[in-house]
Amino acid sequence: EAGVTQSPTHLIKTRGQQATLRCSPISGHTSVYWYQQALGLGLQFLLWYDEGEERNRGNFPPRFSGRQFPNYSSELNVNALELEDSALYLCASSPRDRAPNTQYFGPGTRLTVL
Amino acid sequence: AQSVTQLGSHVSVSEGALVLLRCNYSSSVPPYLFWYVQYPNQGLQLLLKYTSAATLVKGINGFEAEFKKSETSFHLTKPSAHMSDAAEYFCAVVNSGYALNFGKGTSLLVTP
Repeated sequence: EAGVTQSPTHLIKTRGQQATLRCSPISGHTSVYWYQQALGLGLQFLLWYDEGEERNRGNFPPRFSGRQFPNYSSELNVNALELEDSALYLCASSPRDRAPNTQYFGPGTRLTVL
Repeated sequence: AQSVTQLGSHVSVSEGALVLLRCNYSSSVPPYLFWYVQYPNQGLQLLLKYTSAATLVKGINGFEAEFKKSETSFHLTKPSAHMSDAAEYFCAVVNSGYALNFGKGTSLLVTP
């Protein structure tokens, strides 16, 4: 069974540009989560999508947004990039259940903002 | 909000020695707790999880963790360290809205 996949592996942008990161969950999983792992800041929750809807959002500005498609894959968009957005962005997926389920992580997208 | 604290940002052990990585949680409700491992330039891999079924949880690669409510702890242990265990380890608790709240991580160094 294929795991969570993310693309691209690396992304280099300049300040002010927009970045789009993609995530495909494990087959059968309906929930997708996004996390940011920035140097010195640790792992921080960004967004949670389930069944196409945004269910929860972390403490990030509105220029961080995303969506989930009917096939449950997801996109994270970061507008007006700032230098401090440079980080590893991790996507995770879990099956839909009433109880909190284990989140399975992808390899991440390394975003560098110059 | 539920949170975890990992004591010790760096831990060094000799190959074959006991590994002990500490995690304390803060939660007003029975928590769901996880340990993940991250190898260099990779994503997170689940080691084990606690969901109140049993206080001693066995995970992959010989790791286990014990949930102690009286001490609000969920420490990760392995009887004998291998060189391949060198990595960053994260303790996490499920927060409201199913988001994971991670500790700051502990970097494990294994020396020959």
